[in-house]
Amino acid sequence: QVQLQESGPGLVKPSETLSLTCTVSGGSISSYYWSWIRQPPGKGLEWIGYIYYSGSTNYNPSLKSRVTISVDTSKNQFSLKLSSVTAADTAVYYCARYNWNDGLREGWFDPWGQGTLVTVSS
Amino acid sequence: QSVLTQPPSASGTPGQRVTISCSGSSSNIGSNTVNWYQQLPGTAPKLLIYSNNQRPSGVPDRFSGSKSGTSASLAISGLQSEDEADYYCAAWDDSLNGSVVFGGGTKLTVL
Repeated sequence: QVQLQESGPGLVKPSETLSLTCTVSGGSISSYYWSWIRQPPGKGLEWIGYIYYSGSTNYNPSLKSRVTISVDTSKNQFSLKLSSVTAADTAVYYCARYNWNDGLREGWFDPWGQGTLVTVSS
Repeated sequence: QSVLTQPPSASGTPGQRVTISCSGSSSNIGSNTVNWYQQLPGTAPKLLIYSNNQRPSGVPDRFSGSKSGTSASLAISGLQSEDEADYYCAAWDDSLNGSVVFGGGTKLTVL
């Protein structure tokens, strides 16, 4: 079955750019939407955005000015960049497949990666 | 402040039936389907219910979902100790260019 694994630095300095990669194994990244979701310590889930394998994207309006999600189909990976980070961006970052049905206009996240904690601190 | 509103906590004893509510608006739950995720302590969220009331393979039929108007509910019957977890509702929101919105989560305690 499809598995996802996040990777990247666990510590980022304030004002710098957070960069994470999600590697998809057990299946192709093609023909699906892929998403990033985060969870600050002790808090709830927040959707960051998604990318279609072809490269089209949609971002959370509250993060849109700082977020870039990209895809590399040759490596079966997609990535997240979040610029100008502050302590408020400290969170566990999850990648997940977004199973979107365009005809029914519905979608859900499944499966999820195990998550990676990113701390913003000097 | 989450777009979807859930009670912060819920509880029940083993064998009991509990429900968790999720309230939204016409731009999200009122016009789109609802999904539920279960997050066991220290683990990643897992899809529990999709398309309002559908269970993925492997999810026990003790879990059920429903939707009416701008609200949705998750019901757990025959409560078990391993059901102690955080539960999140989510839906597509048609505002702006469209986005996924989550509820704030409900921590379920099995007494």
